[in-house]
Amino acid sequence: AQKITQTQPGMFVQEKEAVTLDCTYDTSDQSYGLFWYKQPSSGEMIFLIYQGSYDEQNATEGRYSLNFQKARKSANLVISASQLGDSAMYFCAMRGFNDMRFGAGTRLTVKP
Amino acid sequence: DAGITQSPRYKITETGRQVTLMCHQTWSHSYMFWYRQDLGHGLRLIYYSAAADITDKGEVPDGYVVSRSKTENFPLTLESATRSQTSVYFCASGGPNTGELFFGEGSRLTVL
Repeated sequence: AQKITQTQPGMFVQEKEAVTLDCTYDTSDQSYGLFWYKQPSSGEMIFLIYQGSYDEQNATEGRYSLNFQKARKSANLVISASQLGDSAMYFCAMRGFNDMRFGAGTRLTVKP
Repeated sequence: DAGITQSPRYKITETGRQVTLMCHQTWSHSYMFWYRQDLGHGLRLIYYSAAADITDKGEVPDGYVVSRSKTENFPLTLESATRSQTSVYFCASGGPNTGELFFGEGSRLTVL
């Protein structure tokens, strides 16, 4: 069975600084996708970034980048130049052959 | 409008009652999912469906029933609601393979 681990229940970062949110995963699937979603206090799930297991380059989307280390089975999210609006829950997820599983999440708080 | 919609958004019921949460998507996505979100657990997969008339259990299927007679609909039924099923329920849809999932706005269920 797939397992996603986020070891940081909460993180603080100063506005305009960079922050890394950790994610490790475990799967026996050869092909899979890794995702990060943001959930603000309003509750909706917002897709941020995607990395395919066969992609050799790390994915980037604006201020978001995914640090993919396949051998270590890690998929850390890096947010550069943090903004107050980045304060939210962040979920790492992995989609294998059929289903998609999520980690427990990290609550990020950006300090002014 | 294209998208994925859940109804009702808010529901209060009593222990032992049957409750059905509806999910409808307009993209003709083959895959649909139901998750529940509880504090400290992230999103946990209840059931998923790879196509019409094909459903499979996720991590926490006990106490839930699903059906998928049409591609666009994926209702979730609690046949006899319990207090432990008080949660926020998210429906999601996506294409095949390892691509992104698109989420509904969530349904907040309270079982008294």
